[in-house]
Amino acid sequence: DAGITQSPRHKVTETGTPVTLRCHQTENHRYMYWYRQDPGHGLRLIHYSYGVKDTDKGEVSDGYSVSRSKTEDFLLTLESATSSQTSVYFCAITPGTGVYEQYFGPGTRLTVT
Amino acid sequence: GEDVEQSLFLSVREGDSSVINCTYTDSSSTYLYWYKQEPGAGLQLLTYIFSNMDMKQDQRLTVLLNKKDKHLSLRIADTQTGDSAIYFCAEGDYGQNFVFGPGTRLSVLP
Repeated sequence: DAGITQSPRHKVTETGTPVTLRCHQTENHRYMYWYRQDPGHGLRLIHYSYGVKDTDKGEVSDGYSVSRSKTEDFLLTLESATSSQTSVYFCAITPGTGVYEQYFGPGTRLTVT
Repeated sequence: GEDVEQSLFLSVREGDSSVINCTYTDSSSTYLYWYKQEPGAGLQLLTYIFSNMDMKQDQRLTVLLNKKDKHLSLRIADTQTGDSAIYFCAEGDYGQNFVFGPGTRLSVLP
């Protein structure tokens, strides 16, 4: 258990509204990631972070922003949600030591109506 | 860019062996991984293999790596109904982001 929680676990929102998803970790790992999972696409990287206030874009970053003001929290914001952002969102961390592997949170199911 | 491909579906009978295949394009990745996702849950790391290895065995799991063909496979011996899940192949390395395949949905029939 890598001590990763995500909130909320489920959310339904309307098109055009802002949405913020939270990822919280208890192990002070440096690297954190946000992915979205859609059928047939596997996991696609949205944004990632190498440390506090140090973030970068992934493969599908348009329409998303992130912030990391504390090591333990990585926030994903949809400034104006669209139906194409209906998806399951996963947060992940990489310990950065030993084998280079990722551990995932339980996911947030977001529906934009 | 980097790409990882997998077949999307596999059905096997309980007690048989399952073989899930994956092809990748980035030959420089140090690690290749298999993750399992059960319904409603996040991905769980099953096993990994270093790129300088050909095979790794871990209880019922056997990973085979053919670097020449950029082909990775996961064999599950004596497949059980609890093995029904989506299996993701991924590649990664320090300083690089992970690249995941689309996932193979394994259905185990009684």
